[in-house]
Amino acid sequence: GAVVSQHPSWVICKSGTSVKIECRSLDFQATTMFWYRQFPKQSLMLMATSNEGSKATYEQGVEKDKFLINHASLTLSTLTVTSAHPEDSSFYICSARNPSGGAAETQYFGPGTRLLVL
Amino acid sequence: SQQGEEDPQALSIQEGENATMNCSYKTSINNLQWYRQNSGRGLVHLILIRSNEREKHSGRLRVTLDTSKKSSSLLITASRAADTASYFCATVSGGANSKLTFGKGITLSVRP
Repeated sequence: GAVVSQHPSWVICKSGTSVKIECRSLDFQATTMFWYRQFPKQSLMLMATSNEGSKATYEQGVEKDKFLINHASLTLSTLTVTSAHPEDSSFYICSARNPSGGAAETQYFGPGTRLLVL
Repeated sequence: SQQGEEDPQALSIQEGENATMNCSYKTSINNLQWYRQNSGRGLVHLILIRSNEREKHSGRLRVTLDTSKKSSSLLITASRAADTASYFCATVSGGANSKLTFGKGITLSVRP
């Protein structure tokens, strides 16, 4: 149980286009999902906390108009990178809490989406 | 901002040996968690230890927590080549909306 999927697994796009990444909890309902960004050989940096039915909470330094987050249902959160630029190229990982299984503090991570902006 | 700092940054051992990885943090915590990440993949939750616990076991994993020293260690016994991965400690502080703060990670290589 507690499986989180991401789609797509990788994407290449031209500079200036927008890219949408989906994060789904497959076998549980997640009221809270998280979006992280990871540069090569570095740690995960939290970008924002996504709450179902309300606005996302962004970390300091993360542009909310650039990284649009929508948590429209208990099993789906989307991250849209708007007007992507080469510096947005990174590995984006989502996670979800499963409030009804295991430790409430445990987050289950998706497999990640590698974004390359040309 | 990063909370945990792991050491060593990289560790290379022979299959069958034990691997010990350490993590230090700065502020008080609710719990500390260890995750594994295979190259280019998502993270897999390994083990969680609460602030009032000192040691936990899960299979070949043993985690200790010393809140007085603000440090934790992850021991993998009888390592296997499949244990090759990056390992991260992450701390949770705060209330109901607490979030994970990750360390920089340790790259473990287990030679067959």
